[in-house]
Amino acid sequence: AQSVSQHNHHVILSEAASLELGCNYSYGGTVNLFWYVQYPGQHLQLLLKYFSGDPLVKGIKGFEAEFIKSKFSFNLRKPSVQWSDTAEYFCAVNALSGTYKYIFGTGTRLKVLA
Amino acid sequence: GAGVSQSPSNKVTEKGKDVELRCDPISGHTALYWYRQSLGQGLEFLIYFQGNSAPDKSGLPSDRFSAERTGGSVSTLTIQRTQQEDSAVYLCASSLEWGAGYTFGSGTRLTVV
Repeated sequence: AQSVSQHNHHVILSEAASLELGCNYSYGGTVNLFWYVQYPGQHLQLLLKYFSGDPLVKGIKGFEAEFIKSKFSFNLRKPSVQWSDTAEYFCAVNALSGTYKYIFGTGTRLKVLA
Repeated sequence: GAGVSQSPSNKVTEKGKDVELRCDPISGHTALYWYRQSLGQGLEFLIYFQGNSAPDKSGLPSDRFSAERTGGSVSTLTIQRTQQEDSAVYLCASSLEWGAGYTFGSGTRLTVV
């Protein structure tokens, strides 16, 4: 069965620190990959997505993610975090095997200290 | 509408009662999804509707859970004989087409007491 692993459950950083959140998935075929963000008290929002092409994907608010097929990974990065990046981040995978559902990771809570 | 609308935003119910949760997707979005978000559990897929196709119910945790989508638009998730373990945030999402990325609603926080 497909699964998504986010190994960092809680991350605390100071402003201006660099961020990398890990995401690994288990599925041998072609996938679409997503990162969603949930700011405190708000609904889930799409941060960025990868379908095909350039494995380095740029999203909103300075975030980017790199798809490394050989490692089954889609890590999220930001060179310099801000206090406003405090949120929960979810990685999701959609396998191109006829199923339309996304499999989500358990999320990573990021707290940025001002 | 401009976004995915869910109602109620909060629901407190007694154990054993039935509840109905409503989702109004973005107009024109053919795909509609229900997920459940429990503390520390991430998002758990429940059910998926796509156009007039038979829904994918593979994520419904028990036969107390059911959902329907009327006229290809509004969806209702029904939980019968609620249990305390049903307490969670129930999220609805819609998408224009497969793989396009979901737009989520704000969710319904269900508390079973």
